[in-house]
Amino acid sequence: LAKTTQPISMDSYEGQEVNITCSHNNIATNDYITWYQQFPSQGPRFIIQGYKTKVTNEVASLFIPADRKSSTLSLPRVSLSDTAVYYCLVGEDSGNTPLVFGKGTRLSVIA
Amino acid sequence: GAGVSQSPSNKVTEKGKDVELRCDPISGHTALYWYRQSLGQGLEFLIYFQGNSAPDKSGLPSDRFSAERTGGSVSTLTIQRTQQEDSAVYLCASKHGTGLNTEAFFGQGTRLTVV
Repeated sequence: LAKTTQPISMDSYEGQEVNITCSHNNIATNDYITWYQQFPSQGPRFIIQGYKTKVTNEVASLFIPADRKSSTLSLPRVSLSDTAVYYCLVGEDSGNTPLVFGKGTRLSVIA
Repeated sequence: GAGVSQSPSNKVTEKGKDVELRCDPISGHTALYWYRQSLGQGLEFLIYFQGNSAPDKSGLPSDRFSAERTGGSVSTLTIQRTQQEDSAVYLCASKHGTGLNTEAFFGQGTRLTVV
C-alpha cells in the first residue's frame, strides 16, 4: 500500500469545519483513497472512499486534486461526538496485500 | 451475523499462560484481518487471510503468535506463553473481496490484560 502522511493531531471547536489532509505521493493508477474513523474503545469504521475529484456522503466530503498525490477529508460543523482518530489508507490490494493503517490523526473537538 | 463478532470482549490472564481469541467475520467475507492496538497507539497489522490463499503472517511479532481460519470463516488468534507486553486490544476485521475499494468491518475487539 502507498505510504501516507497525515498530521498526528488536530483541535477544533464545535460547529467548525475540519479539514484533515493526507499526503500520498506514491499513489498508483489503480489505487483508491479510503478514510476510517475510530472512536475510543471501538474498532475503526469506514467513513468515505474516493478515486478522484470529490465524493460526499452524509458524514463527510473527500476532496482529491487532479494529481491525486493528496486528499482532504472534510467534516462539516463538527460536534463533540466527532472526537476520534481518523485514518487515511491508499492502495489496491489485488493480491495478498494486507490492509495497513498508519498512526492516523487524533481530532479533539472542544466545546 | 449482522457484524463482526469477537470473543471474549475482555480477557485477563497470568503471564506465561496461553490465550485464544475468537473472531466471527461477516458471512461471505473472504478477507479477514487481525490487528493489535496498544493504548493510544495506531493499529498494528498482525495477519491477513484471503480466501484459500496462504495467510500473510508478516505482522506477527513473534513465534508465540499464531492464527487459524477454519472453513474460511471463524478465526482464532492464539498467543502462547503470554507476556505483559502482549497487553492490548486485539481487533479483527473482515471484508468482501480483495480490493481496497470495498469496506472493512471491524469487531469491537478483545481487550487482553496480562498480569
